[in-house]
Amino acid sequence: GAVVSQHPSRVICKSGTSVKIECRSLDFQATTMFWYRQFPKQSLMLMATSNEGSKATYEQGVEKDKFLINHASLTLSTLTVTSAHPEDSSFYICSAKRLAPPDTQYFGPGTRLTVL
Amino acid sequence: AQTVTQSQPEMSVQEAETVTLSCTYDTSESNYYLFWYKQPPSRQMILVIRQEAYKQQNATENRFSVNFQKAAKSFSLKISDSQLGDTAMYFCAFMNANAGNMLTFGGGTRLMVKP
Repeated sequence: GAVVSQHPSRVICKSGTSVKIECRSLDFQATTMFWYRQFPKQSLMLMATSNEGSKATYEQGVEKDKFLINHASLTLSTLTVTSAHPEDSSFYICSAKRLAPPDTQYFGPGTRLTVL
Repeated sequence: AQTVTQSQPEMSVQEAETVTLSCTYDTSESNYYLFWYKQPPSRQMILVIRQEAYKQQNATENRFSVNFQKAAKSFSLKISDSQLGDTAMYFCAFMNANAGNMLTFGGGTRLMVKP
């Protein structure tokens, strides 16, 4: 159990376009999902916390109008990178917190975004 | 705010031997959890082991065990009988149980298991 999927795994887009990344918990319900960004050879940086049915909480320095997060159900959260630019190119990882065992995050496989 | 420090950017170990990865953290909280995650070349983050701060007994999962020293705020990971598949980045992480379950990650240790 505790499988989290992400789609797409890899996306290449032109500068100025928007890209949507989906994060799904496949075999459990996740009241909270998290979105991270990881630069090459670096650790994970939390971007935002997403709670089902409410607005996401963004970390300091993360533009909420650029990185739109929607958590419409207990198994799905989406991250939309709006008007993407080359500096948004990165590896984006989501995680989902399940209720049992408590307080453990399970991670999706990540999405590599390349903005040309 | 919490900080997590992994002082070993890279380590290597011979196959079948034992290696210990270090992690220290700084917090004023009393109710928290500590984790070790593994990130192999596929970049999928995999939970290795989890420790509740209120438990004195060190967590173990097969070949993986931790040495949790609460007073010293130390949480090291021991990998016994290292296997080639253990080659990965290892991240230590802290979670404040009273603050939204967010994870604070250390900078990571790159472990190479040599045949």
